[in-house]
Amino acid sequence: DSGVTQTPKHLITATGQRVTLRCSPRSGDLSVYWYQQSLDQGLQFLIQYYNGEERAKGNILERFSAQQFPDLHSELNLSSLELGDSALYFCASSVSGRTEAVEQFFGPGTRLTVL
Amino acid sequence: TQLLEQSPQFLSIQEGENLTVYCNSSSVFSSLQWYRQEPGEGPVLLVTVVTGGEVKKLKRLTFQFGDARKDSSLHITAAQTGDTGLYLCAGVGNQGGKLIFGQGTELSVKP
Repeated sequence: DSGVTQTPKHLITATGQRVTLRCSPRSGDLSVYWYQQSLDQGLQFLIQYYNGEERAKGNILERFSAQQFPDLHSELNLSSLELGDSALYFCASSVSGRTEAVEQFFGPGTRLTVL
Repeated sequence: TQLLEQSPQFLSIQEGENLTVYCNSSSVFSSLQWYRQEPGEGPVLLVTVVTGGEVKKLKRLTFQFGDARKDSSLHITAAQTGDTGLYLCAGVGNQGGKLIFGQGTELSVKP
């Protein structure tokens, strides 16, 4: 158990819909990172927040957005869903605000299926 | 765009055998990390290598970072069924310092 929690574990929805994925980082960690893992693309970095502020952006689509709240939990919002958005979405956390070369602790992921 | 290519993609071996997984790129990375991911779980960091030519050992696992910092390898000695999982390498590139992951090597160790 990494100490990072993600809800829900599974999500099934239809094309065009909007969903929200939630992540609670490990106690004391200020950074939250979001990743998408699909069979064809592998694990892709989406976005990082540090202490409520956006720190780094990766291959995140404009239909996707995220935020980190004062209690440090984070939400990833996915809208106008397409079949290709079906994937595992992971949240990771770390103490550091650095984007790289730090130990990131990954949550168990949310499996999103878009029908 | 910096890419990391892992090989092989799939590896099925018997318990007790040795194996090596490779992670290659045409680009230089300031550091490389290796993760192991089990089904239904998130990746778990195994090691970070930062110096060209560096070798790190973690019990039966040996990690090496190439001299030119463009490649890395993971060698497992006397594999056990508990080593089964997806092994991912990830590099810190020059695109704002974001982690770039390889496609992974799916390892299956049979008893």
